[in-house]
Amino acid sequence: GAGVSQSPSNKVTEKGKDVELRCDPISGHTALYWYRQSLGQGLEFLIYFQGNSAPDKSGLPSDRFSAERTGGSVSTLTIQRTQQEDSAVYLCASSITSGTHLEQFFGPGTRLTVL
Amino acid sequence: QKEVEQNSGPLSVPEGAIASLNCTYSDRGSQSFFWYRQYSGKSPELIMFIYSNGDKEDGRFTAQLNKASQYVSLLIRDSQPSDSATYLCAVILYGNKLVFGAGTILRVKS
Repeated sequence: GAGVSQSPSNKVTEKGKDVELRCDPISGHTALYWYRQSLGQGLEFLIYFQGNSAPDKSGLPSDRFSAERTGGSVSTLTIQRTQQEDSAVYLCASSITSGTHLEQFFGPGTRLTVL
Repeated sequence: QKEVEQNSGPLSVPEGAIASLNCTYSDRGSQSFFWYRQYSGKSPELIMFIYSNGDKEDGRFTAQLNKASQYVSLLIRDSQPSDSATYLCAVILYGNKLVFGAGTILRVKS
Protein backbone atom coordinates (compact mmCIF):
# COMPACT_ATOMS: atom_id res chain seq x y z
CA GLY A 1 0.00 0.00 0.00
CA ALA A 2 0.89 3.64 -0.20
CA GLY A 3 1.31 4.10 3.52
CA VAL A 4 0.65 2.61 6.92
CA SER A 5 -3.02 2.02 7.51
CA GLN A 6 -4.83 1.41 10.77
CA SER A 7 -8.32 0.32 11.61
CA PRO A 8 -10.65 1.26 13.04
CA SER A 9 -9.97 4.98 13.01
CA ASN A 10 -12.18 5.43 16.05
CA LYS A 11 -13.32 2.94 18.64
CA VAL A 12 -15.65 3.59 21.54
CA THR A 13 -16.04 0.75 23.98
CA GLU A 14 -17.33 0.09 27.44
CA LYS A 15 -15.05 -0.53 30.37
CA GLY A 16 -14.28 -4.22 30.69
CA LYS A 17 -14.66 -5.07 27.01
CA ASP A 18 -11.83 -6.36 24.83
CA VAL A 19 -10.69 -4.43 21.76
CA GLU A 20 -8.51 -5.28 18.76
CA LEU A 21 -6.62 -2.67 16.83
CA ARG A 22 -5.15 -3.44 13.44
CA CYS A 23 -2.11 -2.12 11.63
CA ASP A 24 -1.11 -2.68 8.00
CA PRO A 25 2.50 -1.57 7.49
CA ILE A 26 4.07 -0.36 4.29
CA SER A 27 4.75 -3.31 2.02
CA GLY A 28 8.30 -4.57 2.47
CA HIS A 29 8.83 -2.92 5.85
CA THR A 30 10.14 -5.52 8.25
CA ALA A 31 9.92 -3.47 11.44
CA LEU A 32 6.62 -2.48 13.01
CA TYR A 33 6.03 -0.39 16.12
CA TRP A 34 3.09 0.36 18.37
CA TYR A 35 2.86 3.58 20.37
CA ARG A 36 0.24 5.17 22.53
CA GLN A 37 -0.37 8.91 22.75
CA SER A 38 -2.60 10.38 25.40
CA LEU A 39 -4.04 13.87 24.99
CA GLY A 40 -1.25 16.44 25.06
CA GLN A 41 1.41 13.84 25.73
CA GLY A 42 4.32 12.45 23.78
CA LEU A 43 4.48 9.02 22.26
CA GLU A 44 4.69 6.11 24.65
CA PHE A 45 6.45 3.10 23.14
CA LEU A 46 4.53 -0.14 23.56
CA ILE A 47 6.14 -2.88 21.47
CA TYR A 48 8.05 -3.45 18.27
CA PHE A 49 8.29 -6.34 15.85
CA GLN A 50 11.15 -7.35 13.62
CA GLY A 51 9.45 -9.72 11.22
CA ASN A 52 7.03 -11.75 13.32
CA SER A 53 9.03 -11.67 16.52
CA ALA A 54 8.85 -9.02 19.21
CA PRO A 55 12.35 -8.40 20.64
CA ASP A 56 11.12 -5.59 22.85
CA LYS A 57 7.82 -5.79 24.72
CA SER A 58 9.03 -3.59 27.53
CA GLY A 59 6.53 -0.84 26.89
CA LEU A 60 3.37 -2.88 27.28
CA PRO A 61 1.72 -1.28 30.33
CA SER A 62 0.12 -4.44 31.73
CA ASP A 63 -0.66 -8.05 30.92
CA ARG A 64 -4.00 -6.89 29.51
CA PHE A 65 -2.06 -5.70 26.46
CA SER A 66 -0.78 -8.11 23.84
CA ALA A 67 0.24 -7.89 20.22
CA GLU A 68 0.98 -10.25 17.42
CA ARG A 69 2.18 -10.04 13.88
CA THR A 70 1.66 -12.70 11.27
CA GLY A 71 3.29 -13.20 7.90
CA GLY A 72 5.64 -10.33 8.59
CA SER A 73 2.86 -7.94 7.71
CA VAL A 74 -0.36 -7.14 9.57
CA SER A 75 -0.24 -6.66 13.32
CA THR A 76 -3.00 -6.58 15.88
CA LEU A 77 -2.84 -4.99 19.30
CA THR A 78 -5.32 -6.47 21.73
CA ILE A 79 -6.41 -4.83 24.95
CA GLN A 80 -8.38 -7.06 27.28
CA ARG A 81 -10.77 -5.81 29.96
CA THR A 82 -10.31 -2.21 28.89
CA GLN A 83 -10.05 0.51 31.51
CA GLN A 84 -10.73 4.22 31.19
CA GLU A 85 -7.02 4.98 31.42
CA ASP A 86 -6.53 3.01 28.21
CA SER A 87 -8.25 5.85 26.32
CA ALA A 88 -5.68 7.29 23.93
CA VAL A 89 -4.64 7.37 20.31
CA TYR A 90 -2.82 4.19 19.37
CA LEU A 91 -0.28 4.78 16.62
CA CYS A 92 1.44 2.20 14.50
CA ALA A 93 4.62 2.87 12.54
CA SER A 94 6.77 0.81 10.22
CA SER A 95 10.31 1.10 8.94
CA ILE A 96 12.33 -0.79 6.39
CA THR A 97 14.48 -2.28 9.12
CA SER A 98 14.87 -1.96 12.84
CA GLY A 99 18.65 -1.65 12.68
CA THR A 100 18.77 2.08 13.10
CA HIS A 101 15.09 2.88 13.66
CA LEU A 102 15.54 5.15 10.69
CA GLU A 103 12.49 6.92 9.31
CA GLN A 104 9.51 5.38 10.94
CA PHE A 105 6.37 6.05 8.90
CA PHE A 106 3.30 6.49 11.04
CA GLY A 107 -0.25 5.45 10.35
CA PRO A 108 -3.21 7.73 11.08
CA GLY A 109 -3.86 6.13 14.44
CA THR A 110 -6.85 4.60 16.20
CA ARG A 111 -8.58 6.81 18.72
CA LEU A 112 -9.79 4.58 21.55
CA THR A 113 -12.34 5.86 24.02
CA VAL A 114 -13.26 3.70 26.98
CA LEU A 115 -16.46 4.79 28.68
CA GLN B 1 15.05 12.86 35.06
CA LYS B 2 13.01 11.93 32.01
CA GLU B 3 14.94 10.08 29.33
CA VAL B 4 14.10 12.73 26.71
CA GLU B 5 13.01 16.16 27.87
CA GLN B 6 11.46 19.02 25.99
CA ASN B 7 9.85 22.26 27.08
CA SER B 8 6.14 21.79 26.41
CA GLY B 9 5.67 25.42 25.34
CA PRO B 10 3.81 26.87 23.67
CA LEU B 11 6.63 28.68 21.96
CA SER B 12 5.25 31.68 20.11
CA VAL B 13 7.25 33.41 17.40
CA PRO B 14 6.25 36.00 14.81
CA GLU B 15 6.18 35.05 11.16
CA GLY B 16 9.63 35.32 9.62
CA ALA B 17 11.51 34.85 12.90
CA ILE B 18 13.75 31.96 13.90
CA ALA B 19 12.12 29.33 16.10
CA SER B 20 14.49 27.44 18.39
CA LEU B 21 13.38 24.12 19.86
CA ASN B 22 15.50 22.27 22.39
CA CYS B 23 15.74 18.73 23.67
CA THR B 24 17.94 17.05 26.28
CA TYR B 25 18.48 13.33 26.76
CA SER B 26 19.77 11.08 29.49
CA ASP B 27 21.94 8.48 27.74
CA ARG B 28 25.43 9.82 27.06
CA GLY B 29 25.99 6.98 24.60
CA SER B 30 23.09 7.88 22.32
CA GLN B 31 24.06 8.16 18.67
CA SER B 32 20.86 8.83 16.72
CA PHE B 33 18.50 11.77 17.05
CA PHE B 34 15.32 12.65 15.23
CA TRP B 35 12.88 15.53 14.98
CA TYR B 36 9.27 14.79 14.11
CA ARG B 37 6.52 17.30 13.39
CA GLN B 38 2.94 16.54 14.42
CA TYR B 39 0.05 18.68 13.31
CA SER B 40 -3.01 18.66 15.54
CA GLY B 41 -5.00 15.49 15.04
CA LYS B 42 -2.40 14.03 12.68
CA SER B 43 0.39 11.50 12.96
CA PRO B 44 4.04 12.45 13.44
CA GLU B 45 6.22 12.87 10.35
CA LEU B 46 9.99 12.82 10.30
CA ILE B 47 11.59 16.12 9.33
CA MET B 48 15.23 15.74 10.36
CA PHE B 49 17.68 13.22 11.72
CA ILE B 50 21.23 13.83 12.92
CA TYR B 51 23.98 11.48 14.03
CA SER B 52 27.11 13.65 14.24
CA ASN B 53 28.03 16.54 16.46
CA GLY B 54 27.49 19.92 14.86
CA ASP B 55 24.86 21.28 12.52
CA LYS B 56 22.83 19.66 9.79
CA GLU B 57 20.86 21.89 7.47
CA ASP B 58 17.88 21.02 5.29
CA GLY B 59 16.11 23.96 3.74
CA ARG B 60 14.77 26.19 6.50
CA PHE B 61 15.53 23.55 9.15
CA THR B 62 18.81 23.13 11.02
CA ALA B 63 19.40 20.41 13.57
CA GLN B 64 22.19 20.99 16.07
CA LEU B 65 23.72 18.23 18.16
CA ASN B 66 26.01 18.58 21.17
CA LYS B 67 26.74 15.13 22.58
CA ALA B 68 28.97 16.43 25.38
CA SER B 69 26.11 18.49 26.73
CA GLN B 70 23.51 15.91 25.73
CA TYR B 71 21.23 18.22 23.86
CA VAL B 72 19.85 18.46 20.39
CA SER B 73 18.03 21.44 18.97
CA LEU B 74 16.00 22.33 15.91
CA LEU B 75 16.08 25.77 14.36
CA ILE B 76 13.40 26.85 11.92
CA ARG B 77 14.35 29.93 9.91
CA ASP B 78 11.80 32.26 8.35
CA SER B 79 9.03 30.64 10.39
CA GLN B 80 5.67 30.37 8.65
CA PRO B 81 2.19 29.93 10.13
CA SER B 82 2.19 26.50 8.48
CA ASP B 83 5.07 25.53 10.79
CA SER B 84 2.69 25.74 13.75
CA ALA B 85 2.64 22.22 15.15
CA THR B 86 4.05 20.08 17.94
CA TYR B 87 7.69 19.13 17.44
CA LEU B 88 8.77 15.83 18.92
CA CYS B 89 12.37 15.01 19.69
CA ALA B 90 13.24 11.32 19.54
CA VAL B 91 16.45 9.67 20.64
CA ILE B 92 17.72 6.13 20.37
CA LEU B 93 18.71 5.25 23.92
CA TYR B 94 20.71 2.31 25.24
CA GLY B 95 21.50 1.08 21.76
CA ASN B 96 18.11 0.24 20.39
CA LYS B 97 15.23 1.96 22.16
CA LEU B 98 13.62 4.92 20.38
CA VAL B 99 12.21 7.26 23.00
CA PHE B 100 10.14 10.34 22.22
CA GLY B 101 9.95 13.53 24.22
CA ALA B 102 6.55 14.96 25.09
CA GLY B 103 6.90 17.59 22.37
CA THR B 104 7.04 21.37 22.13
CA ILE B 105 4.07 23.27 20.77
CA LEU B 106 5.16 25.93 18.28
CA ARG B 107 2.84 28.76 17.27
CA VAL B 108 3.88 31.06 14.45
CA LYS B 109 1.79 34.22 14.40
CA SER B 110 1.22 36.16 11.20
